[in-house]
Amino acid sequence: ETGVTQSPTHLIKTRGQQVTLRCSSQSGHNTVSWYQQALGQGPQFIFQYYREEENGRGNFPPRFSGLQFPNYSSELNVNALELDDSALYLCASSLGAAILNTEAFFGQGTRLTVV
Amino acid sequence: GQNIDQPTEMTATEGAIVQINCTYQTSGFNGLFWYQQHAGEAPTFLSYNVLDGLEEKGRFSSFLSRSKGYSYLLLKELQMKDSASYLCAVRDTRGKLIFGQGTELSVKP
Repeated sequence: ETGVTQSPTHLIKTRGQQVTLRCSSQSGHNTVSWYQQALGQGPQFIFQYYREEENGRGNFPPRFSGLQFPNYSSELNVNALELDDSALYLCASSLGAAILNTEAFFGQGTRLTVV
Repeated sequence: GQNIDQPTEMTATEGAIVQINCTYQTSGFNGLFWYQQHAGEAPTFLSYNVLDGLEEKGRFSSFLSRSKGYSYLLLKELQMKDSASYLCAVRDTRGKLIFGQGTELSVKP
């Protein structure tokens, strides 16, 4: 148990729909990162939030957006879903974005299937 | 560019030792992580290296050479439960983790 919880655990959506995934970070952690993991691949960085501000983004289109709340929990929103968006979405929380010796703790992930 | 390479799959025998290699080329470096991931589950932290050398943690050890852009994860006294995917990840200077595609390790009796 890492203290990072994600909801829902599984989700099926239709192409073109919108989805919101949620993440509660570990107590005391102020940084949340989101990753997309396709089957058989390593996680790919989507974006990171530090103290409610986005402070890094990977190669994902603008239809991937996010929020971080004052309690440091976070949401990932994906608009106009495409079949290739089917993946495991992982949230990781840490204390500080680049402080040495700070590991990122991952939630159990949300398995999104787009049909 | 950012590139992290690790073998796609490896097989080893229960009780043996296995070494999983990782080479990286990244624009910034702020530590190298190894994670274990069982199918359908979240990655779990195994080790962290930021300075050159060997870090030992029970049956798991990790080595880093920054000048060579190289790391390895060493697993001793392999158990069946060690069958999993092992992910090498480099953290850049902004805290982003850049992952390799993972090495699928199968431990056979």
